Amino acid sequence: QVQLQESGPGLVKPSETLSLTCTVSGGSISHYYWSWIRQPPGKGLEWIGYVSYSGSTNYNPSLKSRVTISLDTSKNQFSLKLGSVTAADTAVYYCASTMIRGVKADAMDVWGQGTTVTVSS
Amino acid sequence: DIQMTQSPSSLSASVGDRVTITCRASQSISSYLHWYQQRPGKAPKLLIHVASSLESGVPSRFSGSGSGTDFTLTISSLQPEDFATYYCQQSYSTPVTFGQGTKLEIK
Repeated sequence: QVQLQESGPGLVKPSETLSLTCTVSGGSISHYYWSWIRQPPGKGLEWIGYVSYSGSTNYNPSLKSRVTISLDTSKNQFSLKLGSVTAADTAVYYCASTMIRGVKADAMDVWGQGTTVTVSS
Repeated sequence: DIQMTQSPSSLSASVGDRVTITCRASQSISSYLHWYQQRPGKAPKLLIHVASSLESGVPSRFSGSGSGTDFTLTISSLQPEDFATYYCQQSYSTPVTFGQGTKLEIK
């Protein structure tokens, strides 16, 4: 069974770049799609985007200008970079493996435990 | 973007009750609708895939139905561990969108 673990700084200063990594164990990163989702305190889930096993990406338009998701197949990891952060980006960030339907992403079947990122000076 | 609206937003019920949560899409999404359970402080867990397909290991008291714009999640007999927040999610088109959540509380 695939397992995912997020890692990265828990505190980021306003205007800086949030960088997180998701390490995949128990399976190859080369056979799935990989998503990032976030959840602000006390609120619902927001999809950030995904990267395919081939490295192609799809981002939420609301964040697209600030987001980069990439794969590192040599390390079985994928990463999230979110630039120009503000307090509104404070959230729990989850990585998830994502089922594939044709060439599209489908449900997110395995999730990491989540990592809390606070944006504050 | 496709808007997903869940009802109710919160629900109080007792152990053994049968409960139904509804999710409505702002346009047809065929059967590309998934349900997740999130317990406090935990990551969401996929319960049902493509409207009615129960994920492996999920108890059979959970069931899903619907297609097009209207979907339901039913729990046939509530157990203590079922008190959580439930989210629907569409994957028909990007951006992927979630419902606002339904918090199921103990009466």
